Amino acid sequence: EIVLTQSPATLSLSPGERATLSCRASQSVSRYLAWYQQKPGQAPSLLIYDASNRATGIPARFSGSGSGTDFTLTISSLEPEDFAVYYCQQRNNWPLFTFGPGTRVDIK
Amino acid sequence: QVTLRESGPALVRPTETLTLTCTFSGFSLTTSGMCVSWVRQPPGKALEWLALIDWDDDKYYSTSLKTRLTISRDTSKNQVVLTMTNMDPVDTATYYCARISREPWYFDLWGRGTLVTVSS
Repeated sequence: EIVLTQSPATLSLSPGERATLSCRASQSVSRYLAWYQQKPGQAPSLLIYDASNRATGIPARFSGSGSGTDFTLTISSLEPEDFAVYYCQQRNNWPLFTFGPGTRVDIK
Repeated sequence: QVTLRESGPALVRPTETLTLTCTFSGFSLTTSGMCVSWVRQPPGKALEWLALIDWDDDKYYSTSLKTRLTISRDTSKNQVVLTMTNMDPVDTATYYCARISREPWYFDLWGRGTLVTVSS
């Protein structure tokens, strides 16, 4: 099973600041990695797929990069609605999907 | 409009079998590239993928849970059913159904989830 680890566990930032979230895979997942945002009481929603492609309707302040085992989600300037938990997920080992443990982005 | 909605019992006793239904609209599960999956999330914890059924009626299961899971579909009713046997308190979670479609081949639409508590 491919294990995903995310860091940091919690990120405390102010609106307008840049957020950088990391996801590392236990083995190469090529570029088959996605990022999801989950707000309290809501289902996750797809942000980024195949490492760097924004899903439909996702603002340009969200960007993804990486390949192999190391990936990054960047939020260029945090908006109030961006404070949430972010999960990475791999599909390289289709369909034995795995998710990371999540990074919480809190208001500082 | 594409929607998915989970339904099932809110409370299950230990050792019982859980049956959850995902009712969807706005797409057909027989269209090439369409899949429906189940994902769960214990309170305050991370997401865990459980099972997937695809447009060809092929079924796939989490390695750690496959002996307890069965996924099936009723295309005439636009429903996907998940059963999980021998429920335990550690199975307490919100259970989501989610769609995977060709491009992007990820969970692009989710239901709102249903909280299942396992307790005697």
